[in-house]
Amino acid sequence: QQQVRQSPQSLTVWEGGTTVLTCSYEDSTFNYFPWYQQFPGEGPALLISILSVSDKKEDGRFTTFFNKREKKLSLHIIDSQPGDSATYFCAASPGNYKYVFGAGTRLKVIA
Amino acid sequence: GPKVLQIPSHQIIDMGQMVTLNCDPVSNHLYFYWYKQILGQQMEFLVNFYNGKVMEKSKLFKDQFSVERPDGSYFTLKIQPTALEDSAVYFCASSLAPGGVSYEQYFGPGTRLTVL
Repeated sequence: QQQVRQSPQSLTVWEGGTTVLTCSYEDSTFNYFPWYQQFPGEGPALLISILSVSDKKEDGRFTTFFNKREKKLSLHIIDSQPGDSATYFCAASPGNYKYVFGAGTRLKVIA
Repeated sequence: GPKVLQIPSHQIIDMGQMVTLNCDPVSNHLYFYWYKQILGQQMEFLVNFYNGKVMEKSKLFKDQFSVERPDGSYFTLKIQPTALEDSAVYFCASSLAPGGVSYEQYFGPGTRLTVL
């Protein structure tokens, strides 16, 4: 079934620490997994994405890992900054016209 | 980067009235989407639209919902009549090609709809 589970619901980390967010899914047809970052009052913006043929993608301080066998993915933010405080959504797509979103993780980075 | 605009940011209406949510997508994009987010829950796909036609819709896209983009103007979501359960934030998105493997969906800031 088309469902994406995201955890934790909220998270507080100290500046400089590492943030880890996770998602899991059931539908084997999902092959594209974007992570979106959303600040209050704004729409979600693409942060990083990964295809199911890869197991890791890195972009600066942000890395996403994908485990096809376990149907899990994660987002790691190293050297977390107060400016990273936002809500993060994972999503999944079978490569067609729509995304299935997780419920989001509200991240707060404390200086 | 490319921006998707949504008008209005907040709309309050009485149950049974009609409401139109407006979306100004990225100028050269061809695919358009609406998502619905009830407070505290995940964003859920409603519908996508291409070349004047609905490509796919979810079970949340009730008969009271309709979408159109007349002559390249706003991409609109119309709800007629509205129901209490329609209260949510509605996000519009657009993409150059089918959102998925290669083409990012760009999202607007959302319209918060409150049905009284």
